[in-house]
Amino acid sequence: DIQMTQSPSTLSAFVGDRVTITCRASQTISTWLAWYQQKPGKAPKLLIYKASTLESGVPPRFSGSGTGTEFTLTISSLQPDDFATYYCQHYYTYSWAFGQGTKVEIK
Amino acid sequence: QVHLQESGPGLVKPSETLSLTCDVSGHSITSGSYWGWIRQPPGKGLEWIGTVYHSGNTYYNPSLKSRVSISVDTSKNQFSLHLNPVTAADTAMYYCARTHGDFRPDWYFDLWGRGTQVTVSS
Repeated sequence: DIQMTQSPSTLSAFVGDRVTITCRASQTISTWLAWYQQKPGKAPKLLIYKASTLESGVPPRFSGSGTGTEFTLTISSLQPDDFATYYCQHYYTYSWAFGQGTKVEIK
Repeated sequence: QVHLQESGPGLVKPSETLSLTCDVSGHSITSGSYWGWIRQPPGKGLEWIGTVYHSGNTYYNPSLKSRVSISVDTSKNQFSLHLNPVTAADTAMYYCARTHGDFRPDWYFDLWGRGTQVTVSS
């Protein structure tokens, strides 16, 4: 199985900060990686797919990068609406798996 | 507009079978997507359970494979999850979701249901 590991587990930041979340795969997954945002009581929302492609309607302050085993999600200027939990997920071969999540909190 | 809706019992007894259905509206279940189940225990992260294609091909999380079955009913445009036997550790919010397409570049989940809470308790 391919394991996904995110860091940090929790992140405290101010509105306007640049924030970066890292996701590592236990083996290479090319660029078959997605990022989701989840708010309390809501279903996850797709932000980015194929490691760096922004889903339609997602603000351009969100960006993704990486290939192989190491990936990052960056929020260039954190907004109040961005405080949430973020998950990476691979879709390599016929399996899917999520990272454990990164909670972005208000500092 | 495409819509996914989970349904099923909110309470299941230990050792029994958890059965959920995802009704798909606005999109044919036979056209160009895989269909998945994902769960989230209270206060914890997301866990992929399994995925099905309209042909009936299924793919399961190895940690759940011995207890899981996912099927598709094309006549009703729905797919189902069965988990047996259940324990308290299976208490979670259960989501159904659709992949963007059926080629590997499109295997990310672009549409989710709102989720249904299942509690395992006697």
